[in-house]
Amino acid sequence: GAVVSQHPSWVICKSGTSVKIECRSLDFQATTMFWYRQFPKQSLMLMATSNEGSKATYEQGVEKDKFLINHASLTLSTLTVTSAHPEDSSFYICSARQLKTSGSSYNEQFFGPGTRLTVL
Amino acid sequence: GNSVTQMEGPVTLSEEAFLTINCTYTATGYPSLFWYVQYPGEGLQLLLKATKADDKGSNKGFEATYRKETTSFHLEKGSVQVSDSAVYFCALTRIQGAQKLVFGQGTRLTINP
Repeated sequence: GAVVSQHPSWVICKSGTSVKIECRSLDFQATTMFWYRQFPKQSLMLMATSNEGSKATYEQGVEKDKFLINHASLTLSTLTVTSAHPEDSSFYICSARQLKTSGSSYNEQFFGPGTRLTVL
Repeated sequence: GNSVTQMEGPVTLSEEAFLTINCTYTATGYPSLFWYVQYPGEGLQLLLKATKADDKGSNKGFEATYRKETTSFHLEKGSVQVSDSAVYFCALTRIQGAQKLVFGQGTRLTINP
């Protein structure tokens, strides 16, 4: 159980185009999803937190108009990289978490396998 | 702010060798600490965790002890196997609030037969 998928697993696009990445929780309802970005040999950097039915909360330095996040259902969140440029090339990873049931316990995040974006 | 520092990789060992991957952290308050593992082509999986000082997390032969005095959470395994080859991430979070994870840079481990 607790499987998270991402689609596509890799994508190559031309500069100036937009790319949409999907993150799905396959066997549970995810009230919260997180989007991360990972550069080669570096750690995962949290980009934004999205709660189903509400606007995403972006981390400092992340352009919300550049990285559009939609979390319209309890099993799907999408990240759209708008007007992509070569510097947006990276590995994007999502995670999903079930409803928080207790304020004193950790609610595990389940991670997708990631999407490698290359912008030419 | 909160941060996590791991030993740089890659780490290459022979099968049945002893493994240590160092992890130290900087955080306000009392974070919870984690080790995640990423096998080739897969998403990160929670390997073990510890939520308070002196707790020991363990799973699949791996162990890590939450050391508040040294702000460390080193990962150890007494006898590694080829199947342990993966990238290992140390991470922390605060239980209160959004429970955002802060990751170290990851350590790639390769075990040779």
